Amino acid sequence: KQEVTQIPAALSVPEGENLVLNCSFTDSAIYNLQWFRQDPGKGLTSLLLIQSSQREQTSGRLNASLDKSSGRSTLYIAASQPGDSATYLCASRSNTGKLIFGQGTTLQVKP
Amino acid sequence: DTAVSQTPKYLVTQMGNDKSIKCEQNLGHDTMYWYKQDSKKFLKIMFSYNNKELIINETVPNRFSPKSPDKAHLNLHINSLELGDSAVYFCASRSEGSNYGYTFGSGTRLTVV
Repeated sequence: KQEVTQIPAALSVPEGENLVLNCSFTDSAIYNLQWFRQDPGKGLTSLLLIQSSQREQTSGRLNASLDKSSGRSTLYIAASQPGDSATYLCASRSNTGKLIFGQGTTLQVKP
Repeated sequence: DTAVSQTPKYLVTQMGNDKSIKCEQNLGHDTMYWYKQDSKKFLKIMFSYNNKELIINETVPNRFSPKSPDKAHLNLHINSLELGDSAVYFCASRSEGSNYGYTFGSGTRLTVV
């Protein structure tokens, strides 16, 4: 049974810092891995999707990596801004289409 | 706007009532889902439909009954609501067999009093 864990649960950084959010999963037989952002009281916004055959994906200041052999993914945020403050969720997708979510990392970027 | 839209956004109701949440997607996706986010913000899948057929049914009380009249709609009906049903319910869709990920609705916050 797939389990997804995100560390840390919460993170506070000053504006301008580069930071890394971690996601680990127990079953390496994933179809893909998706990173989402959730603002308080809002829905989920997809940030990056990494297929199982890929090693990383980039979008603007965001870079997500995937290492299936070690069961890890990271989300790198460069030059963080207060607007980046949100909860970041990673989710692995199985071949059946089911998304298994981590508990999320709540990020606060202080001006 | 192309999106996954849910109604209502907020729902407050008394224990024992029956309520429905509606979901519609205009993305042309084949598969739709219901996820529940509990008070600890943990998201868990409830149901999945592909072209109006149920394909995933997690261990959910049978008071919860999804209905898909067509592949663009997946509604969630809940009978005899209980306090523990209070949560945010998210609808999502995905194109089957594609390399694209999920698109989520903005959620329905259900509060049972």
